[in-house]
Amino acid sequence: EPEVTQTPSHQVTQMGQEVILRCVPISNHLYFYWYRQILGQKVEFLVSFYNNEISEKSEIFDDQFSVERPDGSNFTLKIRSTKLEDSAMYFCASNKDRGTDTQYFGPGTRLTVL
Amino acid sequence: AQSVTQLDSQVPVFEEAPVELRCNYSSSVSVYLFWYVQYPNQGLQLLLKYLSGSTLVESINGFEAEFNKSQTSFHLRKPSVHISDTAEYFCAVRNSGNTPLVFGKGTRLSVIA
Repeated sequence: EPEVTQTPSHQVTQMGQEVILRCVPISNHLYFYWYRQILGQKVEFLVSFYNNEISEKSEIFDDQFSVERPDGSNFTLKIRSTKLEDSAMYFCASNKDRGTDTQYFGPGTRLTVL
Repeated sequence: AQSVTQLDSQVPVFEEAPVELRCNYSSSVSVYLFWYVQYPNQGLQLLLKYLSGSTLVESINGFEAEFNKSQTSFHLRKPSVHISDTAEYFCAVRNSGNTPLVFGKGTRLSVIA
């Protein structure tokens, strides 16, 4: 069964450094998302992406964040200058169609900012 | 704005006992409802979903949830739990279209032998 994959599984970085989290959505999916889960808290929406542009973003997704689909398979989340409070599990998700389609999640990348 | 409330942060239960994980939502429009499960050190997996039609939905591993519009609830139940059901369970809601999911805080189910 096709699945969403994410790399790396763990990323440790120093405060102020840039990080890029990578995701490979399911191949025929058209809608892509990033969510994050700070330890002990709920899963929160960051951004959705369709047709090579952001379709919706939350208040969390400020100018330090950007997303890109650099080729036909990868979907990346870049944090330009990491802060301690960016430490979280970041989940990528994708779905095929609008409406009733289910969002399928990747296994997540645990980001630790020191 | 939509929101999801999972009142129980932790639910310990003995093996083979029944369990109910509660979920209430608020929304001004029609919604789709989901339960996701997160096993230790893994990502989110869809457990079951309600989109329309029958208000009782079932998963392949014995869980079921019932959509109750009047009570704005979507509680998850299983008549007899196994050790392998130990995980974090998240209730989520979204409206039609391609809107983002809104998650509850999660309920940690611990099954005790």
